[in-house]
Amino acid sequence: EAQVTQNPRYLITVTGKKLTVTCSQNMNHEYMSWYRQDPGLGLRQIYYSMNVEATDKGDVPEGYKVSRKEKRNFPLILESPSPNQTSLYFCASSFSPPIYGTTNEKLFFGSGTQLSVL
Amino acid sequence: ILNVEQSPQSLHVQEGDSTNFTCSFPSSNFYALHWYRWETAKSPEALFVMTLNGDEKKKGRISATLNTKEGYSYLYIKGSQPEDSATYLCAFPGTNAGKSTFGDGTTLTVKP
Repeated sequence: EAQVTQNPRYLITVTGKKLTVTCSQNMNHEYMSWYRQDPGLGLRQIYYSMNVEATDKGDVPEGYKVSRKEKRNFPLILESPSPNQTSLYFCASSFSPPIYGTTNEKLFFGSGTQLSVL
Repeated sequence: ILNVEQSPQSLHVQEGDSTNFTCSFPSSNFYALHWYRWETAKSPEALFVMTLNGDEKKKGRISATLNTKEGYSYLYIKGSQPEDSATYLCAFPGTNAGKSTFGDGTTLTVKP
């Protein structure tokens, strides 16, 4: 089944304890992206990747790191989590990056990770 | 950060009502606009990718129109059903390849 797999679904941690949220897609998608969603706000882009070894900052990258060593995986790393990073996180992927408006640019989302940093 | 606005923030309608809501985006350097539907406890799912001025897309009872010159897109739902209850998001890619700005969404509740 074609999907974006995100783990864990729920995570409670403490300030400063490094954590990684994994994201993997099995659709051979070039483009992957991370978003966070906070109450009353839409999805805000954290980082994105146009292809392997090509990552770039979105609108809210502070406090996050990513890597794209393989096409299928795009982990989100919080080196020193803080309470303001408590949020719902989504990973998404698409065949093509959102540039020209083709149907290949439709994003497929993972199931989300609810992170609480105490 | 691009300014992408959705209105209204929330909408409550009765089953059978038709409804519509708006996504406003910068009209300069337009490439595309995406619509997504996000049901509670699920992940957002793509509805439409809109590219041309005057474009109209349709999926069942849901349709969307696009005006790139004035910078807005309308999403219409004809004869709303309780299963249409969801948050509808629009996303504007802008001119930086790979970046995408989402609106805050319109949350639709359809009462039986």
